[in-house]
Amino acid sequence: GENVEQHPSTLSVQEGDSAVIKCTYSDSASNYFPWYKQELGKGPQLIIDIRSNVGEKKDQRIAVTLNKTAKHFSLHITETQPEDSAVYFCAASSGNTPLVFGKGTRLSVIA
Amino acid sequence: DAGITQSPRHKVTETGTPVTLRCHQTENHRYMYWYRQDPGHGLRLIHYSYGVKDTDKGEVSDGYSVSRSKTEDFLLTLESATSSQTSVYFCAISTGQGFNQPQHFGDGTRLSIL
Repeated sequence: GENVEQHPSTLSVQEGDSAVIKCTYSDSASNYFPWYKQELGKGPQLIIDIRSNVGEKKDQRIAVTLNKTAKHFSLHITETQPEDSAVYFCAASSGNTPLVFGKGTRLSVIA
Repeated sequence: DAGITQSPRHKVTETGTPVTLRCHQTENHRYMYWYRQDPGHGLRLIHYSYGVKDTDKGEVSDGYSVSRSKTEDFLLTLESATSSQTSVYFCAISTGQGFNQPQHFGDGTRLSIL
């Protein structure tokens, strides 16, 4: 079955700097890759997703890139702000099986 | 807001007692999921449903059962709770057909088993 590895597990950046979180997946049939942000005491919230027919997608300060050959995808946050501090999860699915999640990255943005 | 309500939000109970968690949605989505979240493990799928009375096991289904007798409600039951089932439980729904669709989560139930 699918296995998703996420790195790093913790990340600290200065306010205004960029943050990058990387995930690798094992199932070459996976075609859907969402990213979630989880704030303290809340459920995960979908922030961006990408499908295998595109290599990059942007939404304001957030972007996701996908390399199907290497089977990895990354979340890029530019101009980080204190409110970006949270736990971020990546996930992958082929459509035949449910999403498999990475173990999460705790991002701290230091003012 | 995907219209997902989990109840209760917090529960403390004793080992060996039965526990039922409820997930209610207001938008008639077909796919519903139960996850548990533990430090160092991320989100792990317990059970999921793809329609009324249609359910299947996830990665960590041992000790859990589910029921879905109507579209809007998905129940998770711990028949005889154990301390290893202390966790935060999240319900989610998919807004499209199939597994490769966006999922939206409730705010969780914090369950402590003493």
